[in-house]
Amino acid sequence: EVQLVESGGGLAQPGGSLRLSCVVSGFTFTNYWMHWVRQAPGKGLVWVSRINSDGRTTNYADSVKGRFTISRDNAKNTLFLQMDSLTAEDTAVYFCARTSFDYWGHGTLVTVSS
Amino acid sequence: QSALTQPPSASGSPGQSVTISCTGTSSDVGAYNYVSWFQQHPGKAPKLMIYEVSKRPSGVPDRFSGSKSGNTASLTVSGLQAEDEADYYCNSYTGSNNPYVFGTGTKVTVL
Repeated sequence: EVQLVESGGGLAQPGGSLRLSCVVSGFTFTNYWMHWVRQAPGKGLVWVSRINSDGRTTNYADSVKGRFTISRDNAKNTLFLQMDSLTAEDTAVYFCARTSFDYWGHGTLVTVSS
Repeated sequence: QSALTQPPSASGSPGQSVTISCTGTSSDVGAYNYVSWFQQHPGKAPKLMIYEVSKRPSGVPDRFSGSKSGNTASLTVSGLQAEDEADYYCNSYTGSNNPYVFGTGTKVTVL
């Protein structure tokens, strides 16, 4: 059974940092690109970032470029999102998803507030 | 990259059909046959319903169908059932450094 489980969300101060993790199982992690997608409370889905299978190619939405860093540890079947210089506009549920968005995690809530 | 445009809401009675549009540009929806549709119930993760414009993943009922004409993609839900009441989002590949864009979302209500 394919599973993606996010963690690391919580409350952060404006200007602060958080690191999200997504542990996967049930498929060969090293064969797949991975994404992060976010959803602000009551709002729609927004693509955030993606990374290729070996971690050497990454893309970011303009809204997070220069502040967020996507990475992966293929030995630990884990995807990461390092979020720096957080603002209130980054408050959202963050989902990890597989290459074609065919499998998603349950999401982890990030709240940025003083 | 601007979000794809969807109507905010759509509705139908049980057994009827509802069609949701997703309008993009010649750089995204119109350029690639990589349009997907997702169903999201409150508090849940999105679920892939249609990929590559009209293909259904295993387990998705054939009541769900997708199509595309020019810069607009569409999702049709036939034979509406109570469990189809949810938010629906489209998504398209863009081929740019922001490679994916989602739609604004449509809330489907089963009357």
